[in-house]
Amino acid sequence: QKEVEQNSGPLSVPEGAIASLNCTYSDRGSQSFFWYRQYSGKSPELIMSIYSNGDKEDGRFTAQLNKASQYVSLLIRDSQPSDSATYLCAVNSFGQNFVFGPGTRLSVLP
Amino acid sequence: ETGVTQSPTHLIKTRGQQVTLRCSSQSGHNTVSWYQQALGQGPQFIFQYYREEENGRGNFPPRFSGLQFPNYSSELNVNALELDDSALYLCASSRGTSGFSDTQYFGPGTRLTVL
Repeated sequence: QKEVEQNSGPLSVPEGAIASLNCTYSDRGSQSFFWYRQYSGKSPELIMSIYSNGDKEDGRFTAQLNKASQYVSLLIRDSQPSDSATYLCAVNSFGQNFVFGPGTRLSVLP
Repeated sequence: ETGVTQSPTHLIKTRGQQVTLRCSSQSGHNTVSWYQQALGQGPQFIFQYYREEENGRGNFPPRFSGLQFPNYSSELNVNALELDDSALYLCASSRGTSGFSDTQYFGPGTRLTVL
């Protein structure tokens, strides 16, 4: 059973701080990694994808991938109250289907 | 907006009834995946359709079935509804091959309540 694990939270950070969200996965053959944001009552929306070891930056968001440690993280710089949501980690590989983690609930306090 | 649409938005059914949910994929996408998301949990994979064929299935009973049409839109059918089927049903579209699907983009979801 391929698994993706995340701390359920809630993770609370003050406005302007860096929020760090973590995800581990069990399938060493995983090739694609995604972070989605989901506001309460809404559907997930894609934030970033990452395929290679290292960092990938997009605006205030940085995804970090370490395949040897089977670990992917998302950093949110200058966190805003509008970033308060559940963040879902998803993992994909050839011949398999997307596996989602349970999500981490982030609360950014004004 | 992802260009993925779902209908209906909300639905209330009673136990034992049947329901059909619909999804239109984003232009240029040939793969549709369906997920069930219970409150407070991550999306659980139901199945995926690629070029009108089922291309993977999660741990859901046969009363969950689906279709994909030539225009790549899709339906999810659930028979003999149970209370535990109450959830948000998500459709995600992507470009794919028979063994791999690229980044998935979600529709707004259908909230199903079973009484």
